[in-house]
Amino acid sequence: AQTVTQSQPEMSVQEAETVTLSCTYDTSESNYYLFWYKQPPSRQMILVIRQEAYKQQNATENRFSVNFQKAAKSFSLKISDSQLGDTAMYFCALYSGAGSYQLTFGKGTKLSVIP
Amino acid sequence: EAGVVQSPRYKIIEKKQPVAFWCNPISGHNTLYWYRQNLGQGPELLIRYENEEAVDDSQLPKDRFSAERLKGVDSTLKIQPAELGDSAVYLCASRSRTSRDEQFFGPGTRLTVL
Repeated sequence: AQTVTQSQPEMSVQEAETVTLSCTYDTSESNYYLFWYKQPPSRQMILVIRQEAYKQQNATENRFSVNFQKAAKSFSLKISDSQLGDTAMYFCALYSGAGSYQLTFGKGTKLSVIP
Repeated sequence: EAGVVQSPRYKIIEKKQPVAFWCNPISGHNTLYWYRQNLGQGPELLIRYENEEAVDDSQLPKDRFSAERLKGVDSTLKIQPAELGDSAVYLCASRSRTSRDEQFFGPGTRLTVL
């Protein structure tokens, strides 16, 4: 079974500052993908960034980057130059295409960006 | 390109009543998922369709939940009868055959059972 753990229920950051959200996971699969999704109050789940497990290079998308530590099964999200629009729930998710084809989500971290 | 469409956005019912949710996936997406998201939790998979076939319904409470995806496009998720514990957000997502991993989510239906 796959598991995803987010140990920070809530976090806050000052506007323009940097914040890091933590995620650990467990899977027996060798081929998998990791994601960070953002869910604002509108409830729409929006993909922020993805990481293929076979790639050693950490993914980046503009102000968003990840620190993927495969041996430690750790996948943290760094948000630089935080903006008010970044206020949302952030979910770490694990996808294994080998059989399950499903996303397993963590419980989420509520991020508040303070003006 | 239109995104995943769900309706209704909100539904309030009394316990023991039936309720149905509708999902229209992105055009051409053959895989469709229904998730349930309890308050303060991440989404959990209920059922996955590949075209019109339900290929993973192991987490669907079959005594009261049912789903269908006629013609492999739109899908309906039904609860009959609803219980208080069914209050949650029900999310639909779809994925194309050419996208190995990315799922696109709809806005969800927030169900409140009184």
